[in-house]
Amino acid sequence: AQSVTQLDSHVSVSEGTPVLLRCNYSSSYSPSLFWYVQHPNKGLQLLLKYTSAATLVKGINGFEAEFKKSETSFHLTKPSAHMSDAAEYFCVVTKLNNNDMRFGAGTRLTVKP
Amino acid sequence: DTEVTQTPKHLVMGMTNKKSLKCEQHMGHRAMYWYKQKAKKPPELMFVYSYEKLSINESVPSRFSPECPNSSLLNLHLHALQPEDSALYLCASLRLGSTEAFFGQGTRLTVV
Repeated sequence: AQSVTQLDSHVSVSEGTPVLLRCNYSSSYSPSLFWYVQHPNKGLQLLLKYTSAATLVKGINGFEAEFKKSETSFHLTKPSAHMSDAAEYFCVVTKLNNNDMRFGAGTRLTVKP
Repeated sequence: DTEVTQTPKHLVMGMTNKKSLKCEQHMGHRAMYWYKQKAKKPPELMFVYSYEKLSINESVPSRFSPECPNSSLLNLHLHALQPEDSALYLCASLRLGSTEAFFGQGTRLTVV
């Protein structure tokens, strides 16, 4: 079985400061990992994905994440938060040729002016 | 075309009504998903279809009935729902051999 744990249910940062959203995964095989963002009353937008290529993955809107197998982590970072980054963020794990796609509990990011 | 289209966007139905949610994609993806998302919660997997056959059913009540009539279309038939079934219903599709899923914008369902 595979699963992800998002370590923080809520993260609050000031505009212009760095963002760190933490995700640990559990998988008995090489996982594929994703970060999705969901703005209020909207659908899900893919931010970035890791699928066994480069361990440092760059996504949209200045976000990036690093896959660390030794720490079973896939944390999402951004150097400088913008007000428009305020949203819910989900870490997702799946496996190639396995239809099972599992979401973490989500982290709500608040950005203060 | 990289879109997953869900209709309707909003639906209000009574507990005795029968309605259907529709999901369509034309990317040739052969795996399609239904998720249910309650407010301030992550999406919960309901059903997965692979090559138009039901491959995962997460013990969803029988008042939700999925159907995959062809490789582009996925329906969710609703009957005798309860107010607690009110949620955002998300559809996703995935190309077999890939791991990146494409999500629709969802149908916001309210049961009154």
